[in-house]
Amino acid sequence: GIQVEQSPPDLILQEGANSTLRCNFSDSVNNLQWFHQNPWGQLINLFYIPSGTKQNGRLSATTVATERYSLLYISSSQTTDSGVYFCAVGNAGNNRKLIWGLGTSLAVNP
Amino acid sequence: EPEVTQTPSHQVTQMGQEVILRCVPISNHLYFYWYRQILGQKVEFLVSFYNNEISEKSEIFDDQFSVERPDGSNFTLKIRSTKLEDSAMYFCASSEQAVEQYFGPGTRLTVT
Repeated sequence: GIQVEQSPPDLILQEGANSTLRCNFSDSVNNLQWFHQNPWGQLINLFYIPSGTKQNGRLSATTVATERYSLLYISSSQTTDSGVYFCAVGNAGNNRKLIWGLGTSLAVNP
Repeated sequence: EPEVTQTPSHQVTQMGQEVILRCVPISNHLYFYWYRQILGQKVEFLVSFYNNEISEKSEIFDDQFSVERPDGSNFTLKIRSTKLEDSAMYFCASSEQAVEQYFGPGTRLTVT
């Protein structure tokens, strides 16, 4: 099955800093989603991005499907950005279930 | 904006008891999923459901688990005879065309 690797596993930033999170996957996908898990455990859907580039406020994401990776950019980080960021992928061969990475744990200090 | 809802938000149960976790998917969605996240670990797929039947289940989803769509709006996960290791966050998700999935807020299950 598809393997999903996220890096870095942990990241500590000062408020205002920028960061890039990476997601590598081992097979072609027709679904790639980025999530933010908040301190209450809820999964917040950030992007559905199987290919291309999207932006939403201070966050943007790029997926290069042919090279099997996706990047999540966080600019001008805020303490509320803290939490775990997950990448999850799926394809028709896996009956469209999402396969998850281990996540990047982000702490933004004031 | 339509959203997936889950109840209860937190369930505490004793080992050996049965629990039912409830989900209301987005109304025009046809594909439904349950995922589980043990504390501190990654999210794991449990089961997918389409056209009133299970389309795929993981090896975690053994005879202890069952899913049901009892009416046109609810989607339930039943765990019979809960074990300590069933303690986890359970997420329901739904999808219109089996691509982008929309997740509920989760039910935190604690088995004592």
